[in-house]
Amino acid sequence: QITLKESGPTLVQPTQTLTLTCTFSGFSLDTSGVGVGWIRQPPGKALEWLALIYWDDNKHYSPSLKSRLTITKDTSKNQVVLAMTNMDPVDTATYFCAHTLTAGQLGYWGQGTLVTVSS
Amino acid sequence: SYELTQPLSVSVALGQTARITCGGNNIGNKIVHWYQQKPGQAPVLVIYTDSNRPSGIPERFSGSNSGSTATLTISRAQAGDEADFYCQVWDSNTAIFGGGTMLTVL
Repeated sequence: QITLKESGPTLVQPTQTLTLTCTFSGFSLDTSGVGVGWIRQPPGKALEWLALIYWDDNKHYSPSLKSRLTITKDTSKNQVVLAMTNMDPVDTATYFCAHTLTAGQLGYWGQGTLVTVSS
Repeated sequence: SYELTQPLSVSVALGQTARITCGGNNIGNKIVHWYQQKPGQAPVLVIYTDSNRPSGIPERFSGSNSGSTATLTISRAQAGDEADFYCQVWDSNTAIFGGGTMLTVL
């Protein structure tokens, strides 16, 4: 059974760096073809893809946010970490992590974590 | 950059067939995935690789993709199908979501 869970601060001040951790079980990130991605959703708005890391440490980022994002993995801990710098109130959203395979489908999602950016 | 266009809303009578479209330039040449998201919940994959259903997804959900439009079809719509639906593709190593369609079952 594949499960994922996001953790991190619920409140971040403007200009700070947000660090979120995705802890997963039921699969290994050193299995060929497997990846973990991050997606966010501002309140009442659509899904927005942020970043993805594959089993081979190949990384992809949203072009519009690339300069602010860093995604890393710790295979021994079954964790993927996303860092987003220079947070702004417009970054207020629910942040999800999800399991992906090489066809690109996000087959399993975490429950999401709401991050509010406010002073 | 590549864009996906979905209708903001689709309504369907109970028991009838709903069709939700996802438009994009030559989307028929891409692989399309569909997600259902109910209020307060994470999205759920309902169709992958154009027309495949994950285990546990009812046969009432089907997908097609050709030309400039991909379509999610929900047959015999039920009240429990009400949700937001998102299409998704990959383009130049970037995952792209459509703007989402709210399905209302009347």
